[in-house]
Amino acid sequence: DIQMTQSPSSLSASVGDRVTITCRASEGISNYLAWYQQKPGKVPKLLIFSASTLQSGVPSRFSGSGSGTVFSLTISGLQPEDVATYYCQRFNTVPQTFGPGTKVEIK
Amino acid sequence: EVQLVQSGAEVKKPGESLKISCAGSGYNFSTYWIAWVRQRPGEGLEWMGIIYPGDSDARYSPSFEGQVTFSVDQSINTAYLQWSSLKASDTAIYYCSRPTPPEKYYGPFHPWGQGTLVTVSS
Repeated sequence: DIQMTQSPSSLSASVGDRVTITCRASEGISNYLAWYQQKPGKVPKLLIFSASTLQSGVPSRFSGSGSGTVFSLTISGLQPEDVATYYCQRFNTVPQTFGPGTKVEIK
Repeated sequence: EVQLVQSGAEVKKPGESLKISCAGSGYNFSTYWIAWVRQRPGEGLEWMGIIYPGDSDARYSPSFEGQVTFSVDQSINTAYLQWSSLKASDTAIYYCSRPTPPEKYYGPFHPWGQGTLVTVSS
């Protein structure tokens, strides 16, 4: 099975900082990658799909890039409401593995 | 509005059986796959598998194959996740969600149900 890894596992940044999370697939997955945000005690929410397409209603400070095996999620100007755990997920073939998550906190 | 509404929290003893539900509304339920995702306390998201309501075609993660069963009732637009013998390690929140393109499972998950907390304790 294709494995997904994320780095870092957690980060602390200041309001307004640019934050980047990396997701790696053990084999090429083209652009079949999604990013989800899960705030504490809440349901996961789709942020980005097809590696770089912003889901409707998601603030434009979120962006995604990458293809093949390396992907990134960038928050351009971290806001207090962005405190959450972020997960990548490949959805090309089953099992549609999630990454282990990256916890984002405010410094 | 597309919605997935899950059944309420459950408290069970080890060895008991359980069936939880996920009701879809606002779309053609039969033509979209339903996915199940586990989240143990303090842990990440685990993909359990998917089922196609149109023909009950199901795909399971190797980690969950033989441990759980997916089913659907098209007449009431509802998908089910069931256990025949629960273990303490099944304690988790279980989410249903919907891969977005119709008839295809290779799509991002949106929307998500609100989650069902299953607690297994003696």
